Amino acid sequence: SQTIHQWPATLVQPVGSPLSLECTVEGTSNPNLYWYRQAAGRGLQLLFYSVGIGQISSEVPQNLSASRPQDRQFILSSKKLLLSDSGFYLCAWSVTGTGGGTQYFGPGTRLLVL
Amino acid sequence: KNQVEQSPQSLIILEGKNCTLQCNYTVSPFSNLRWYKQDTGRGPVSLTIMTFSENTKSNGRYTATLDADTKQSSLHITASQLSDSASYICVVSASGGSNYKLTFGKGTLLTVNP
Repeated sequence: SQTIHQWPATLVQPVGSPLSLECTVEGTSNPNLYWYRQAAGRGLQLLFYSVGIGQISSEVPQNLSASRPQDRQFILSSKKLLLSDSGFYLCAWSVTGTGGGTQYFGPGTRLLVL
Repeated sequence: KNQVEQSPQSLIILEGKNCTLQCNYTVSPFSNLRWYKQDTGRGPVSLTIMTFSENTKSNGRYTATLDADTKQSSLHITASQLSDSASYICVVSASGGSNYKLTFGKGTLLTVNP
């Protein structure tokens, strides 16, 4: 069966510090991968998606970046965090070639920027 | 612009009671609609998925309906349990174009009290 992992679960970082969140998927090959942010009282916002290694599409301009160094690894990064980067970050995967198919979400990382 | 509106924003019911959550969407062209359940601090989990030709889908005590003509969906929860306390998110997928983007509602926060 497929599983998706995210870490860390919780992170408190000062403004201006770097960020690296990691997501890995097990039990499937060549998945589509996604990074979302969920702010309090708001819906999920798609940040990045990837259909393959090294292929990243950005949905919103921001100081975040994403990378996919391996087939089942997706990393969300920032060089300098802003207060507005606080939120709940979710990684998700879907079966390749099914962009509108069911997305399976990880447990999330709660980020607080102070 | 594709949008998904959910109502009510929040709902409190007593254990054992039934409830119905609403979702209106303007996503076009429509591909499918999903309801997700998101426990506090966790990633969303898919409950049901319906395509254009389906007007009802059940998953245990959860029953979703879809009216593609009026672009409305509902999620009915029967004999609620304390574990049903969560946010319920309506997600609509458009066909064609960029298939990797889903339109998320902001969710309905359901609280089931003993």
